[in-house]
Amino acid sequence: LAKTTQPISMDSYEGQEVNITCSHNNIATNDYITWYQQFPSQGPRFIIQGYKTKVTNEVASLFIPADRKSSTLSLPRVSLSDTAVYYCLVGASGGSYIPTFGRGTSLIVHP
Amino acid sequence: GAVVSQHPSRVICKSGTSVKIECRSLDFQATTMFWYRQFPKQSLMLMATSNEGSKATYEQGVEKDKFLINHASLTLSTLTVTSAHPEDSSFYICSARGQKYTEAFFGQGTRLTVV
Repeated sequence: LAKTTQPISMDSYEGQEVNITCSHNNIATNDYITWYQQFPSQGPRFIIQGYKTKVTNEVASLFIPADRKSSTLSLPRVSLSDTAVYYCLVGASGGSYIPTFGRGTSLIVHP
Repeated sequence: GAVVSQHPSRVICKSGTSVKIECRSLDFQATTMFWYRQFPKQSLMLMATSNEGSKATYEQGVEKDKFLINHASLTLSTLTVTSAHPEDSSFYICSARGQKYTEAFFGQGTRLTVV
């Protein structure tokens, strides 16, 4: 399984754009990159998934360079409610994929 | 995205008793379900993986006789904590994955407190 490395914590202010980068140097050819958000005492919530280049949905963008050894989750104009832990997961989408969590990034958004 | 429902959201039980936690995929068939536990300020730790109709595969260090997992249908998996002790107090989270999705979806979690 490809191991991921993220910053342990980040601070931001309301209205700013936040970029969280995840390193996954050993990513395999058929691995997808998936990001989850977790609030205290809740299960992780799917944010976005991508394979290469750029993916955008209504809540975030995911940027993946050509070598796919890293990825960046971009949250536009964060609010206080975006304070949470964000996890980057790497793995194949096939039948053998087991979601494995690293330490995640604790994002704190200040007023 | 798909919805995974976990019940109960919190439970308090006496030491020595057993507790069952249910995990249901509401709008898709979950070919594989996963069970995690999470201690305060820590990440999710995988306990076991279960496929419908098969025995669960437990991670190293997880006692299969203590944490009974049943995945009897494509929409339901249960985790039973048997003879619970205070050290079993934790946040338990289930996850489900279906064939038509590339990602896994998670339940709301169950806060277990053993007194």
